[in-house]
Amino acid sequence: QVQLVESGGGVVQPGRSLRLSCATSGFTFSSYGMHWVRQAPGRGLEWVAVISYDGSNKYYADSVKGRFSITRDNSKNTLNLQMNSLRVEDTAVYYCAKDRWTYGYHGMDVWGPGTTVTVSS
Amino acid sequence: DIQMTQSPSSLSASVGDRVTITCQASRDIRNYLNWYQQKPGKAPKLLIYDASNLETGVPSRFSGSGSGTDFTFTISSLQPEDFATYHCQQYDNLPPRYTFGQGTKLEIK
Repeated sequence: QVQLVESGGGVVQPGRSLRLSCATSGFTFSSYGMHWVRQAPGRGLEWVAVISYDGSNKYYADSVKGRFSITRDNSKNTLNLQMNSLRVEDTAVYYCAKDRWTYGYHGMDVWGPGTTVTVSS
Repeated sequence: DIQMTQSPSSLSASVGDRVTITCQASRDIRNYLNWYQQKPGKAPKLLIYDASNLETGVPSRFSGSGSGTDFTFTISSLQPEDFATYHCQQYDNLPPRYTFGQGTKLEIK
């Protein structure tokens, strides 16, 4: 079955960097766009970024544009999120999620359990 | 950017009740609307895609309708495992953008 597992979360000071990873299995990773979505404590869901199936196109929420970078390694079935210049307001559970449409962008159908990022001095 | 207004923000109901949640988009989004269920400490789960299509394996008591700006999510007969938070989500795909509603917490009366 499809599985996604995030890693790399932790506690970091404002202004520092953190790199999240998502290991995937059970589907043809190289055929699907992949997303990062976050949820601040007690808050709703916020889409962060999406990368196309081949890594050639990347799109970001305005709140993270210029600070976060989404990448993928199709040889390792892995998705990454490089987070730079972190702010207190980036504190959240970060989920990786698979797009439900091959070669397109139609929203998320399978999600990982999430990894927690806390930005605090 | 498109804004999604989801209501109510919370709802108390009993097992067996019929429950309806609405989501309104700030402009026409055709049927580009998904519904998710989220239980405490867990990841969201896709229930309905493209406004009215039931995801594989999801019980038929869940349904969705609407197009354009106004959408409805219904649980026909609440079961104990349905008490959770429900989120609507709109998507654009040119370029890709995604906005979630504020969520509806469904609690036991």
